[in-house]
Amino acid sequence: QKEVEQNSGPLSVPEGAIASLNCTYSDRGSQSFFWYRQYSGKSPELIMSIYSNGDKEDGRFTAQLNKASQYVSLLIRDSQPSDSATYLCAVGLITGANNLFFGTGTRLTVIP
Amino acid sequence: DAGITQSPRHKVTETGTPVTLRCHQTENHRYMYWYRQDPGHGLRLIHYSYGVKDTDKGEVSDGYSVSRSKTEDFLLTLESATSSQTSVYFCAISGGQELSGANVLTFGAGSRLTVL
Repeated sequence: QKEVEQNSGPLSVPEGAIASLNCTYSDRGSQSFFWYRQYSGKSPELIMSIYSNGDKEDGRFTAQLNKASQYVSLLIRDSQPSDSATYLCAVGLITGANNLFFGTGTRLTVIP
Repeated sequence: DAGITQSPRHKVTETGTPVTLRCHQTENHRYMYWYRQDPGHGLRLIHYSYGVKDTDKGEVSDGYSVSRSKTEDFLLTLESATSSQTSVYFCAISGGQELSGANVLTFGAGSRLTVL
């Protein structure tokens, strides 16, 4: 059983602060890493993907990957109330259809 | 939801009855998936398809069957529904055109199933 672990939260941050979401995984062969955002009652939507060690930035979002430590994180800068959602970490091999595993998600609340 | 339609969106049924959920895509994507999402378990893969009539089991396939007779349609069937199958079911698609594409999922809106 491949495990993807996330702190379930809730994580509360004030508006304008940096929110830091963390994820660890058990399979050292993992090659692809994703962050999905899921609003309450809605479906997950992809916000970031990362495949190489280091940082990847997209607007206010930064994904960080450390394969040696089996750790992937998501930073949200200048957090907005609209960022309040559950963030799902997903980990898989570089390709293939049946090897993506999801964490249980971290619920983020941004306080105005 | 990016050309993915799930039906029905909500269903209440009784234990022992058959249930079929439908996923329809207009993106011509190769891969289609059925996941279930439950509190404390996250998203778990039930079955997936890598082409017409090509399907395989996922992590939690017991009690479920699937069929894909056309590229655009992927059906999930519960032959005899049980209360443990009460869940939110998500269909997802991926293109698989790039090396890493098969894992980049786009989800449908979800189908909430309650088995009494």
